[in-house]
Amino acid sequence: AQKVTQAQTEISVVEKEDVTLDCVYETRDTTYYLFWYKQPPSGELVFLIRRNSFDEQNEISGRYSWNFQKSTSSFNFTITASQVVDSAVYFCALTNLVRSGGSNYKLTFGKGTLLTVNP
Amino acid sequence: EPEVTQTPSHQVTQMGQEVILRCVPISNHLYFYWYRQILGQKVEFLVSFYNNEISEKSEIFDDQFSVERPDGSNFTLKIRSTKLEDSAMYFCASSARGGYTFGSGTRLTVV
Repeated sequence: AQKVTQAQTEISVVEKEDVTLDCVYETRDTTYYLFWYKQPPSGELVFLIRRNSFDEQNEISGRYSWNFQKSTSSFNFTITASQVVDSAVYFCALTNLVRSGGSNYKLTFGKGTLLTVNP
Repeated sequence: EPEVTQTPSHQVTQMGQEVILRCVPISNHLYFYWYRQILGQKVEFLVSFYNNEISEKSEIFDDQFSVERPDGSNFTLKIRSTKLEDSAMYFCASSARGGYTFGSGTRLTVV
């Protein structure tokens, strides 16, 4: 069974602070994808990143960066110089990469972290 | 960029009524999904659909739920007799080998 844990339920920061959202996952699969999604108050799921289990290189995209560590089963997300528009719920999610046993690439989500960036 | 389209964006229905949520997945994707998110909670898998049949369903997906791909492009979720606890955001998604795309969701309110 797969499991994603986002231990931080809510985080509140002041604009321009850096913030890291934690994600720890469990899976018996050796090949898998990890995702981060942003859910603003309007409710849609906005795709941020997909990382496959073969690639442990960290990734940076503008103010966003992701740290993937297989040894600790973590895929943490850092926002540098946070802005009010970053306020949202952020979800980490996991799916297996290889279709086997009818797993069908379904996503297992964490419970999400509500990030509030105050001006 | 290809999109997954969901209609309606909002639906209010009376308890006991049937509702059909509609989705148009990305045309060359092979796997289709419905997920549910009760307000303030995490996104939960309901059902996956591949090769014109259900490939996996969660324990949430009981006999009140059904899915169809009636015409090769639409993908629908039917709830036969809605309950108050069915109030949630319902997301459709499609994927091709891990490349996942979500629709913008249908917010269902059962009164």
